[in-house]
Amino acid sequence: NAGVTQTPKFRILKIGQSMTLQCTQDMNHNYMYWYRQDPGMGLKLIYYSVGAGITDKGEVPNGYNVSRSTTEDFPLRLELAAPSQTSVYFCASSPGRVANTGELFFGEGSRLTVL
Amino acid sequence: AQSVTQLDSHVSVSEGTPVLLRCNYSSSYSPSLFWYVQHPNKGLQLLLKYTSAATLVKGINGFEAEFKKSETSFHLTKPSAHMSDAAEYFCVVSGYSSASKIIFGSGTRLSIRP
Repeated sequence: NAGVTQTPKFRILKIGQSMTLQCTQDMNHNYMYWYRQDPGMGLKLIYYSVGAGITDKGEVPNGYNVSRSTTEDFPLRLELAAPSQTSVYFCASSPGRVANTGELFFGEGSRLTVL
Repeated sequence: AQSVTQLDSHVSVSEGTPVLLRCNYSSSYSPSLFWYVQHPNKGLQLLLKYTSAATLVKGINGFEAEFKKSETSFHLTKPSAHMSDAAEYFCVVSGYSSASKIIFGSGTRLSIRP
């Protein structure tokens, strides 16, 4: 059972470079999310999607972009990387609204450092 | 508006002693509440959830939490700590108004002394 799979697990970027964090889930979940986790902080929502072709901004979307062309995949694009984007990124999914369905399923995270 | 506050950033207990991790929430309506655990270099895993059924909720690995509306609290407890419980714990509140309204607390790091 793969669940939510994120790649890469670790990456170092130079300032101004771009990259894509990949996320795929095999549970046929409609809802998918990207969070970032900074030391001593809870998770902050970057973007989310309620189904293929539908995305929306979360709390901290600046500097990121997403797409949702299929139910399974929800890549996160970083354009013009900045040191402030150094963080651990988590992709998550849920079958519906968390308040109704009760659980988020997380990937193991992608640790990104921007130097 | 919703919010969640974890009252302790770090808790240290001896193995075999009780664990108490404190969480207070604020919500305009009846919330769903969760506790997640994160072991080092891992993703978050659901420990337990409250979704307006029984106020005392039992989760995995011997953890439980009690929803107290009058105190707006959802504290996590375990009668006897084990070394494998050392991890970061997050209290989470979710509302019905929006798919994005999932609010994470800042986390409590639990250390277990031998």
